[in-house]
Amino acid sequence: QQPVQSPQAVILREGEDAVINCSSSKALYSVHWYRQKHGEAPVFLMILLKGGEQKGHEKISASFNEKKQQSSLYLTASQLSYSGTYFCGTVQEEGTYKYIFGTGTRLKVLA
Amino acid sequence: EAQVTQNPRYLITVTGKKLTVTCSQNMNHEYMSWYRQDPGLGLRQIYYSMNVEVTDKGDVPEGYKVSRKEKRNFPLILESPSPNQTSLYFCASSARRLHTGELFFGEGSRLTVL
Repeated sequence: QQPVQSPQAVILREGEDAVINCSSSKALYSVHWYRQKHGEAPVFLMILLKGGEQKGHEKISASFNEKKQQSSLYLTASQLSYSGTYFCGTVQEEGTYKYIFGTGTRLKVLA
Repeated sequence: EAQVTQNPRYLITVTGKKLTVTCSQNMNHEYMSWYRQDPGLGLRQIYYSMNVEVTDKGDVPEGYKVSRKEKRNFPLILESPSPNQTSLYFCASSARRLHTGELFFGEGSRLTVL
């Protein structure tokens, strides 16, 4: 079952903050976050690992609550370039490499 | 330049005409996978491969075949395409066990089956 993301869509003004949540009905072993711009491929943003280790490439932060099976992505002082659809992704079951993406969150940043 | 290359990028075909979408990566990645993206359904995994000659089904494997004869290539085969396979397809690869590695995506292949 797909992890559920909230909100489904959000509109911001430049400089505003946003939080995107990813909630799973199954245990999460790691969580990946991707951003996809319209007509393009998803691009990796961040990975969060069990035990709190976090790896990322941009000035975007995230949290991972293993007990609650949730992850949140924090976009601070949003820029126009942040517009796109955000997906969380995870390996469905430990010991397999079946991968599943969340339902997606459409984010639009206005000038 | 490190990349995942898919071909063709765009294809219109007819029901039942076998087709292959190629995927090649130049990063020596072990893990490769295929996804389809449909409006309202998001990205769904079709097949994945952990290494040469090792493949397994994802969530939506029906109507598709894959092979991994070489580490760099992971073609997606539609033996008898049907209109419900009209979709945007992405190939992706990863250097490590997926729990700790990121997915690198190809640019996508938009397939229309008439």
